[in-house]
Amino acid sequence: SQTIHQWPATLVQPVGSPLSLECTVEGTSNPNLYWYRQAAGRGLQLLFYSVGIGQISSEVPQNLSASRPQDRQFILSSKKLLLSDSGFYLCAWNLKGPTEAFFGQGTRLTVV
Amino acid sequence: GEDVEQSLFLSVREGDSSVINCTYTDSSSTYLYWYKQEPGAGLQLLTYIFSNMDMKQDQRLTVLLNKKDKHLSLRIADTQTGDSAIYFCAERGYGGSQGNLIFGKGTKLSVKP
Repeated sequence: SQTIHQWPATLVQPVGSPLSLECTVEGTSNPNLYWYRQAAGRGLQLLFYSVGIGQISSEVPQNLSASRPQDRQFILSSKKLLLSDSGFYLCAWNLKGPTEAFFGQGTRLTVV
Repeated sequence: GEDVEQSLFLSVREGDSSVINCTYTDSSSTYLYWYKQEPGAGLQLLTYIFSNMDMKQDQRLTVLLNKKDKHLSLRIADTQTGDSAIYFCAERGYGGSQGNLIFGKGTKLSVKP
């Protein structure tokens, strides 16, 4: 069966520090991978999606970047965090074609 | 562009029915989804409906789709306190983002005992 792992679950980082959130998927191959952010009191915002290794599309300009070094690994990074980067980050995957997405448990990032 | 709209809050009494509404703009959407998010957790798929269907029922959940008006609703019968959560409507089309899911902002359902 397919599973998605996202870590860490919570993170408190100072302004200006780097960030690396990791997401891995098991039990499938060549998935679409997504990073979403959910700011307090707001809905989901798509940050990045990837249809294959090394292929990253950015939906909104921002302080973050994403990479997909392996087929089932998706990494969200920042060189210098801003206060506005605080939020709940969700990784998700789905197969090509009209199928539902499966979400990780999320990472609560607080930038102080 | 693609957009999904939902009301932000809904409050019901335990045992009543809840109806959460959603409108979308992408007429090429093939699947429409309802996700549930409990506090501090990721999203969990509740149900989905294919765009050539008008209705789908799954135990206490009923999904209605009006494709002409681009309106989707989720009805929860006999709402329980455990149904308190944020409910997200999402569409998946074949637009410029190669079929990624577009989510609404979520409806926070509060169930009062």
